[in-house]
Amino acid sequence: QKEVEQNSGPLSVPEGAIASLNCTYSDRGSQSFFWYRQYSGKSPELIMSIYSNGDKEDGRFTAQLNKASQYVSLLIRDSQPSDSATYLCAVNIMIYNQGGKLIFGQGTELSVKP
Amino acid sequence: DVKVTQSSRYLVKRTGEKVFLECVQDMDHENMFWYRQDPGLGLRLIYFSYDVKMKEKGDIPEGYSVSREKKERFSLILESASTNQTSMYLCASSHVTGDYEQYFGPGTRLTVT
Repeated sequence: QKEVEQNSGPLSVPEGAIASLNCTYSDRGSQSFFWYRQYSGKSPELIMSIYSNGDKEDGRFTAQLNKASQYVSLLIRDSQPSDSATYLCAVNIMIYNQGGKLIFGQGTELSVKP
Repeated sequence: DVKVTQSSRYLVKRTGEKVFLECVQDMDHENMFWYRQDPGLGLRLIYFSYDVKMKEKGDIPEGYSVSREKKERFSLILESASTNQTSMYLCASSHVTGDYEQYFGPGTRLTVT
């Protein structure tokens, strides 16, 4: 069974701090990794995709990937109260000729305190 | 801009009714997915489709069926709704090659009484 593990939280950080969210996965063959943000009562929104080892930055968000350690992380710099949400880590599992399907972690709840 | 729409935001049905949930995407995506999301259980894949008239079971297909007659449209059918199918239902779509990014619709909160 392919698995994706996240700390469930809640993770609480003060406004302006760096929030660090972590994720590990079991399928060594995975090549595509995603972070989704989900506000309460809303659907998941894709915020970052990463495919190569190293860092990928987009505004205040940085995704980090280490395939050897099977580890993905998301850093949120200068955290804002509007970043308070559940963050879902997802890993693509390839299916021959069908693209693939995402395996999601349980999500980490982030709370940014003013 | 990717757009995935779902037929209803909220739906209330009675036990035993046949329920249709519809999803439409406008990005010419080959793959479409149906999930349900419940507190403490996360996102669980019900069915997916990688082409018109093609379907594959996900992790929890029991009690559900799907239909994909057109590329842009993917329907989830609850043959005989039960109270344990009360949930948030989410549709998503993606390309079959390339980046595999999945985009979600707004969700349908279904209550079965």
